[in-house]
Amino acid sequence: DADVTQTPRNRITKTGKRIMLECSQTKGHDRMYWYRQDPGLGLRLIYYSFDVKDINKGEISDGYSVSRQAQAKFSLSLESAIPNQTALYFCATSVSGANVLTFGAGSRLTVL
Amino acid sequence: GQQVMQIPQYQHVQEGEDFTTYCNSSTTLSNIQWYKQRPGGHPVFLIQLVKSGEVKKQKRLTFQFGEAKKNSSLHITATQTTDVGTYFCAGWRIKAAGNKLTFGGGTRVLVKP
Repeated sequence: DADVTQTPRNRITKTGKRIMLECSQTKGHDRMYWYRQDPGLGLRLIYYSFDVKDINKGEISDGYSVSRQAQAKFSLSLESAIPNQTALYFCATSVSGANVLTFGAGSRLTVL
Repeated sequence: GQQVMQIPQYQHVQEGEDFTTYCNSSTTLSNIQWYKQRPGGHPVFLIQLVKSGEVKKQKRLTFQFGEAKKNSSLHITATQTTDVGTYFCAGWRIKAAGNKLTFGGGTRVLVKP
């Protein structure tokens, strides 16, 4: 089983719909992140959490929200999806002090 | 804000040849990491450089951190088809609020057999 699991792996939705992407990890890491990947733009940070009670905005948080339900679970929500949120979304984890990211397999979201 | 730029964006390489991809930061970095993403896959950590002027090797891959800790390079010798993918550098900034990585745009490597 994967250390960092993302669901769903692929999703097609319509403009205005609410979407939730979920991430769970078995690595025991305290830090979790959501990144968005667009061609040529690398990985841009949406939100990150250093522990269950800690939520921080990244560089592109507008239009997104997150919830850290437990140390092992970090979900990303799009309250009202729009087409320019079509992208590949990655969840990642790290342990404090080590700073190395372990990524999930990604969730490809298409908003029509 | 902090920017990390990578060049080139695309690299077409003949199998067996060498190439280098470059990473430049607008600010001094605490350390720099490199990740590789295979086509259809997810980024996988390759290496971290911490010291000014540091050089590390992994088989045919040589990573270097600049003296001013604002740039880095990845050199691949005798390119193989297994080297296909996108290589990202990611920098941690000194005293950055939130202590988070900033990724470059990546260099997508295509290998011609």
